Amino acid sequence: GAGVSQSPSNKVTEKGKDVELRCDPISGHTALYWYRQSLGQGLEFLIYFQGNSAPDKSGLPSDRFSAERTGGSVSTLTIQRTQQEDSAVYLCASSLSGTVAKNIQYFGAGTRLSVL
Amino acid sequence: AQKVTQAQTEISVVEKEDVTLDCVYETRDTTYYLFWYKQPPSGELVFLIRRNSFDEQNEISGRYSWNFQKSTSSFNFTITASQVVDSAVYFCALSDYGGSQGNLIFGKGTKLSVKP
Repeated sequence: GAGVSQSPSNKVTEKGKDVELRCDPISGHTALYWYRQSLGQGLEFLIYFQGNSAPDKSGLPSDRFSAERTGGSVSTLTIQRTQQEDSAVYLCASSLSGTVAKNIQYFGAGTRLSVL
Repeated sequence: AQKVTQAQTEISVVEKEDVTLDCVYETRDTTYYLFWYKQPPSGELVFLIRRNSFDEQNEISGRYSWNFQKSTSSFNFTITASQVVDSAVYFCALSDYGGSQGNLIFGKGTKLSVKP
């Protein structure tokens, strides 16, 4: 597709279960970002991938969160042993490679995660 | 430290009114980029504009205009003759080279409601 695609759009899970969220970036975009949007914290950066370089994990809130990007394209964000405070909308964005600070990030519609 | 402040949490106007959304930022870098995104009820963040720190010219795009003032570290957004379709949450964001690697630092957002 033309835009960033995220699945599922909604996910309800029970506390303690693991979840996987998927992001399919815009074709040709080598940079991929995950953000979390919650009522109390606004939009927070989680992790960044650029090509084949090691990801920047500086925004991950705990070691229960991890992400991978296979083949430089699709990315999966995994949350292990989910907690209620993980309930949020998880947004994925992609941008062209290059001088990253200036790159325009294009966002998907997000995955709304609800942990019961 | 990087920070973006959108002091207006919610604004409500009547259609055809002009409205200005405020954004104040903090960064130690001399090279940085500022962005505005729109988040309609569908949830997807839509890119509106990017401005680099060396270009202080104001920009107009249709009913939208942006006023960038480095002296006050502000990047305000004005919608002229607002319409109901402008109802959304608007985010101001900052990207510089002192941060992670181009991840966006977002303000908390301003929810704009335009009533008919």
